[in-house]
Amino acid sequence: AQKVTQAQTEISVVEKEDVTLDCVYETRDTTYYLFWYKQPPSGELVFLIRRNSFDEQNEISGRYSWNFQKSTSSFNFTITASQVVDSAVYFCALSDRGAQKLVFGQGTRLTINP
Amino acid sequence: GAVVSQHPSRVICKSGTSVKIECRSLDFQATTMFWYRQFPKKSLMLMATSNEGSKATYEQGVEKDKFLINHASLTLSTLTVTSAHPEDSSFYICSAESGGHVEQYFGPGTRLTVT
Repeated sequence: AQKVTQAQTEISVVEKEDVTLDCVYETRDTTYYLFWYKQPPSGELVFLIRRNSFDEQNEISGRYSWNFQKSTSSFNFTITASQVVDSAVYFCALSDRGAQKLVFGQGTRLTINP
Repeated sequence: GAVVSQHPSRVICKSGTSVKIECRSLDFQATTMFWYRQFPKKSLMLMATSNEGSKATYEQGVEKDKFLINHASLTLSTLTVTSAHPEDSSFYICSAESGGHVEQYFGPGTRLTVT
């Protein structure tokens, strides 16, 4: 069975600090996709990134970066120079190619304090 | 592109009544739509997967007679909560996928409160 674990339930940092959100996944599939979503207080899910299992290259997008390591089944998300607008709940998710069902982690509530 | 809408955004209904939530893909054809439920401060739990023109596939533990899903067209899926009870109060989110693509596009969610 597929499983996504986000061990950090809540994180609180001061603005401009760097913060890393951890994500560990379990799957028996050789082909799978990993995602990160942001859910601000308004509730809608905002897509941040998708990574397939064959692409282990790290990715950087502005202040956001992602570290995918198959050896440790992890897909961690780092925000550098955090801002108050980054405050939200962040979800890591996994899907297998066939079913296309997303399995979500428990979410990490990130609070950036001014 | 890839916009998904939900209606209503918020609904309050009395216990015992039924309520319908609509999910529409506005600028693409959605061969598959997904319905999720999210309890306060919890993760999203997949309720069912619906393909256009066929019966929905429900996840284990989800009552199909309680949560009726219809996917009558390539742009519309509906979730009807029948005989709603206070424990059905939740945030319901739909997503749509345009066939062959892994990415799902999420709607803004519907907050249901049953009094």
